[in-house]
Amino acid sequence: EAGVTQSPTHLIKTRGQQATLRCSPISGHTSVYWYQQALGLGLQFLLWYDEGEERNRGNFPPRFSGRQFPNYSSELNVNALELEDSALYLCASSLYQNQETQYFGPGTRLLVL
Amino acid sequence: TQLLEQSPQFLSIQEGENLTVYCNSSSVFSSLQWYRQEPGEGPVLLVTVVTGGEVKKLKRLTFQFGDARKDSSLHITAAQPGDTGLYLCAGGSSGGSQGNLIFGKGTKLSVKP
Repeated sequence: EAGVTQSPTHLIKTRGQQATLRCSPISGHTSVYWYQQALGLGLQFLLWYDEGEERNRGNFPPRFSGRQFPNYSSELNVNALELEDSALYLCASSLYQNQETQYFGPGTRLLVL
Repeated sequence: TQLLEQSPQFLSIQEGENLTVYCNSSSVFSSLQWYRQEPGEGPVLLVTVVTGGEVKKLKRLTFQFGDARKDSSLHITAAQPGDTGLYLCAGGSSGGSQGNLIFGKGTKLSVKP
């Protein structure tokens, strides 16, 4: 069974641009989570989607947004990129009824120059 | 704000030695997850513990959830070079109603042959 997949693996942008990151959950999982892993800061929760709706968001500015599609795949959009947005962006998925057991994808490494 | 403190931050040992990694908080968690992450990859789920005092074994790895569900430990017996990686603990709260996991900053383990 395929795990969580993410694309692209690497993304290089300049300050002020927009970035779009994509995630496909494990088959049968309806919940998708986005985390940011910046150097020295650990994994920080960004967003949680389930059944196409945003269920919760972490302490990040509104320029971090996303959506979930009918097939449960998800997109994370980061507008007006800043240098500090450089990080590994991780997507995880779970069953809605077992949100605390989350399976992660390989991540997208975003570099903002 | 819920926080998870992991110790030690770094651990460098010889093959065959035993080690213990700790994960502590002043908050109660409904579950505790342990992940291992290789450089440039996503975290891989090792175990989930949900009951205070619970002990789970995975080959040479032993995981324990504290009686009060505020702390956890990971013990590795006879460490091997393949155990090298970043070990992360993550707590689930409120029965999962908020969706996000709270992560510790990790313990970077290096096992030398």
